[in-house]
Amino acid sequence: DAGVTQSPTHLIKTRGQQVTLRCSPKSGHDTVSWYQQALGQGPQFIFQYYEEEERQRGNFPDRFSGHQFPNYSSELNVNALLLGDSALYLCASSFRGGTGELFFGEGSRLTVL
Amino acid sequence: AQSVTQLDSQVPVFEEAPVELRCNYSSSVSVYLFWYVQYPNQGLQLLLKYLSGSTLVKGINGFEAEFNKSQTSFHLRKPSVHISDTAEYFCAVSLANYGGSQGNLIFGKGTKLSVKP
Repeated sequence: DAGVTQSPTHLIKTRGQQVTLRCSPKSGHDTVSWYQQALGQGPQFIFQYYEEEERQRGNFPDRFSGHQFPNYSSELNVNALLLGDSALYLCASSFRGGTGELFFGEGSRLTVL
Repeated sequence: AQSVTQLDSQVPVFEEAPVELRCNYSSSVSVYLFWYVQYPNQGLQLLLKYLSGSTLVKGINGFEAEFNKSQTSFHLRKPSVHISDTAEYFCAVSLANYGGSQGNLIFGKGTKLSVKP
């Protein structure tokens, strides 16, 4: 049973560019949440998707957007990259009808130069 | 708003010694509480959670935590640590509402546990 998979694992961008990160949830899960983990910090909630709609959003600017597809996979898009966007981006999936426990992927490490 | 404070950024301990990682939270409403572990270059793994019921919660790998509502604490303990427990540990809270959805977790800054031989 595959867990949560994320791609790419590492990427380097320059300021002003745009990036798309991808996430496939654990089998049987229908909800995807995204977190940003800056170096030396705990993860911060970006947003959550369920039934292809954004259901909850943390304190992140509109440059951060997402999408969920009918197969429950998800994308995180960040526009106009800033140096401060350098971080580990974690995807977590859950099943809304269950206990809601989150299962995390290994993350995508983004470096903005 | 909710917040989580992990009181120690680093905890060095010798193998087979007991350890306690401290976590305090702030919230005006009921919350669920969690401890996650993150090994180097990996995602987070759930160690244990408190949703309701018994305040002493047992998790994986021999860890346990006790929910103390009066002190708003949820400290993590293990009676005897191993080298393999070396990792970063995160305490987190979420609102106790609508079926326990855990999407919006608020994490502490983490405690790095270093187990020495």
